[in-house]
Amino acid sequence: GQQVMQIPQYQHVQEGEDFTTYCNSSTTLSNIQWYKQRPGGHPVFLIQLVKSGEVKKQKRLTFQFGEAKKNSSLHITATQTTDVGTYFCAGEDDKIIFGKGTRLHILP
Amino acid sequence: DGGITQSPKYLFRKEGQNVTLSCEQNLNHDAMYWYRQDPGQGLRLIYYSQIVNDFQKGDIAEGYSVSREKKESFPLTVTSAQKNPTAFYLCASRNLLRSGTQYFGPGTRLLVL
Repeated sequence: GQQVMQIPQYQHVQEGEDFTTYCNSSTTLSNIQWYKQRPGGHPVFLIQLVKSGEVKKQKRLTFQFGEAKKNSSLHITATQTTDVGTYFCAGEDDKIIFGKGTRLHILP
Repeated sequence: DGGITQSPKYLFRKEGQNVTLSCEQNLNHDAMYWYRQDPGQGLRLIYYSQIVNDFQKGDIAEGYSVSREKKESFPLTVTSAQKNPTAFYLCASRNLLRSGTQYFGPGTRLLVL
């Protein structure tokens, strides 16, 4: 069945360093979405990627969708303490499958 | 997110007891979803509904039941058959015509006494 793998599971970075999380799907996706969940909170939608090779930016966040529409990445430049949380990808084929998330911890 | 409410925020269940979690949305979304999240884990789909009076099982439906009598409401019942119900339950809704984005409610934390 459809699977979405997300790595790494945890990431500790010094404030100001960059951070990247990766998602890989076992099937070709129609789109992929990214969500952020703050500690104790609920997932909040960040962005959706639809086109092969698509790249979108939101301030310090850069999202990419692979050419084969089976992988995606989220890159944060110069992390800040407000970036703390868990980042989830969700790949949609015939249904939406969430990755297990990458928990980002910022060291001051 | 705005437009989706879940209640209660915390819920305690005794052994052998059924409990119902509420989810209401005023976004006029057709589709609604229930997810379970365990500590340090991702979201696993319990049930979803794309239209009133119709719903489908997700990956972990055993021990749960739902109803969709109104477009705005999608309550989840955790039955006594669910042997490990302690988790964070998240409801989401989505506009199928626009695809993509799911809007999540604030969640309900269920604890077993």
